[in-house]
Amino acid sequence: DTAVSQTPKYLVTQMGNDKSIKCEQNLGHDTMYWYKQDSKKFLKIMFSYNNKELIINETVPNRFSPKSPDKAHLNLHINSLELGDSAVYFCASSQESLTGKGYTFGSGTRLTVV
Amino acid sequence: GDLVTQMEGPVTLSEEAFLTINCTYTATGYPSLFWYVQYPGEGLQLLLKATKADDKGSNKGFEATYRKETTSFHLEKGSVQVSDSAVYFCALNYGQNFVFGPGTRLSVLP
Repeated sequence: DTAVSQTPKYLVTQMGNDKSIKCEQNLGHDTMYWYKQDSKKFLKIMFSYNNKELIINETVPNRFSPKSPDKAHLNLHINSLELGDSAVYFCASSQESLTGKGYTFGSGTRLTVV
Repeated sequence: GDLVTQMEGPVTLSEEAFLTINCTYTATGYPSLFWYVQYPGEGLQLLLKATKADDKGSNKGFEATYRKETTSFHLEKGSVQVSDSAVYFCALNYGQNFVFGPGTRLSVLP
């Protein structure tokens, strides 16, 4: 019954590898997001998808590519991983017509690049 | 652009102490305001929200009032518990823009 689910929860990988993080929401929301939380707990938006269209792309390296096969899924693919990519990545979803209700977040994926 | 600032942490309190975590915002319009909480090893959870001026959000003994005149949304709790130890994020939402503050870590000692 999880509303926003992310997999995997933990990911340890070597520099230079390519990895993906998956996100699915069963709330029927029309917008999904990826946030990066660094070691100092700062949360920064990376991407936002509304009905499969990218609507926000903050200055994120092009090694990061979001892929949305349908409006219930927003996966994050990362190429050529670097040490600085180590962080917790949160997926979230919201319904634009319900602005003010807040987001629903996934439980996060802790990525460690060694 | 829109911005959210919070008091620097960490904040360390004894159990049953009074808690205030300050939050101020800068926004071009009239945003909705939120407090999110992140318990150790877990994701973000919505704690409370307010969508217009003078609204008071409350949940689990926490409360915050939307003050347009001071552009603030301070989080308060009258008596904290050890289980309240977490990182607290103030955030605003306006249209497609959702901005988080840097987070304040709270540690409550028994």
